[in-house]
Amino acid sequence: GENVEQHPSTLSVQEGDSAVIKCTYSDSASNYFPWYKQELGKRPQLIIDIRSNVGEKKDQRIAVTLNKTAKHFSLHITETQPEDSAVYFCAASINYNQGGKLIFGQGTELSVKP
Amino acid sequence: DGGITQSPKYLFRKEGQNVTLSCEQNLNHDAMYWYRQDPGQGLRLIYYSQIVNDFQKGDIAEGYSVSREKKESFPLTVTSAQKNPTAFYLCASSMRRGANEKLFFGSGTQLSVL
Repeated sequence: GENVEQHPSTLSVQEGDSAVIKCTYSDSASNYFPWYKQELGKRPQLIIDIRSNVGEKKDQRIAVTLNKTAKHFSLHITETQPEDSAVYFCAASINYNQGGKLIFGQGTELSVKP
Repeated sequence: DGGITQSPKYLFRKEGQNVTLSCEQNLNHDAMYWYRQDPGQGLRLIYYSQIVNDFQKGDIAEGYSVSREKKESFPLTVTSAQKNPTAFYLCASSMRRGANEKLFFGSGTQLSVL
């Protein structure tokens, strides 16, 4: 089945710096790659996603890149702010006719220091 | 924070006891999911349901059971066969069946063993 590996497990950056989180997946049939953000004590929320027919997607300060050949995708956060501090989860899924399932990475705890 | 509601927020289980975690959604979503969150292990899929009266095992279904008798409800029972039940449990839903959909999460239930 699908396996998703996420690195690093913790990341500390200074405010204003960039942060990059990387994920690799095992099943080449995977076709959907979302990123979720979970602030302390809150529920995970989708921040950006990318489908396999696209190589890059941007939304203001965040961007996701996908390399299907290498089976990896990355989250890029520019000009980080203290409110970016949270746990970030990547995920990969395969959509079947009758459904499918989303498999998450282990999470990255991002700390942005003022 | 409406839409998907989990209860209780905290739950304690005695040795040999079955406990049931509630998950209700008023979003008219077809699909519902249960994830288990342990520190450093991300979100692991327990069970999912793409449609009423149907559900599938996820990656860690042993010791758990579910039902989907109504579209809006997807309760999870942690049975006595689950030897390490202490974890944070998250319920989620998505609009349509299939894994390439945005997940809406509940606020979670923290289960502990007495």
